Amino acid sequence: QKEVEQNSGPLSVPEGAIASLNCTYSDRGSQSFFWYRQYSGKSPELIMSIYSNGDKEDGRFTAQLNKASQYVSLLIRDSQPSDSATYLCAVNPGNMLTFGGGTRLMVKP
Amino acid sequence: DTGVSQDPRHKITKRGQNVTFRCDPISEHNRLYWYRQTLGQGPEFLTYFQNEAQLEKSRLLSDRFSAERPKGSFSTLEIQRTEQGDSAMYLCASSGAGKEAFFGQGTRLTVV
Repeated sequence: QKEVEQNSGPLSVPEGAIASLNCTYSDRGSQSFFWYRQYSGKSPELIMSIYSNGDKEDGRFTAQLNKASQYVSLLIRDSQPSDSATYLCAVNPGNMLTFGGGTRLMVKP
Repeated sequence: DTGVSQDPRHKITKRGQNVTFRCDPISEHNRLYWYRQTLGQGPEFLTYFQNEAQLEKSRLLSDRFSAERPKGSFSTLEIQRTEQGDSAMYLCASSGAGKEAFFGQGTRLTVV
């Protein structure tokens, strides 16, 4: 079992819709959770961090954390074609980040 | 300086040659990480420094790989006797007092 699991996609949503990206992790000791966006051929860009159960909102992005279920999600409201990218979930159980394989999001005009 | 800087951005080398990559972290960050990423996969952890001390190294990391961070500033990653399977994007990230890690642009290695 991989430590951080994501559906590889692609997840296709129409412009203006809500995109929902999900991630599960195996290490119950994990305390820090991150979402990165990665455009093709580029390096990952940090877009959200979350440390406690519940929701955290930043602009069009909402991160949700449920430690009991070992589940992290990212919602993107009013999706734009420029949001088309791979979204990486990362978990910090210790000194380094462990990444999932990423979910490819396609937002269609 | 506003971000993590990596050099070179691209490297093409012949199999068997040695290569060295450099990473300059965000100046106030004491933690530095190296990752490797292949197409369609998430970044894979290679090694971690806190200041000049290499505190963690992936079990998957071959003896051909070595990393240093002299004086706790920039870091270098060397790959000796490169193989075609080493072709990947090599990513450096740094973090400070907070837990958020920021990546450089990466170095894309192609071994021919």
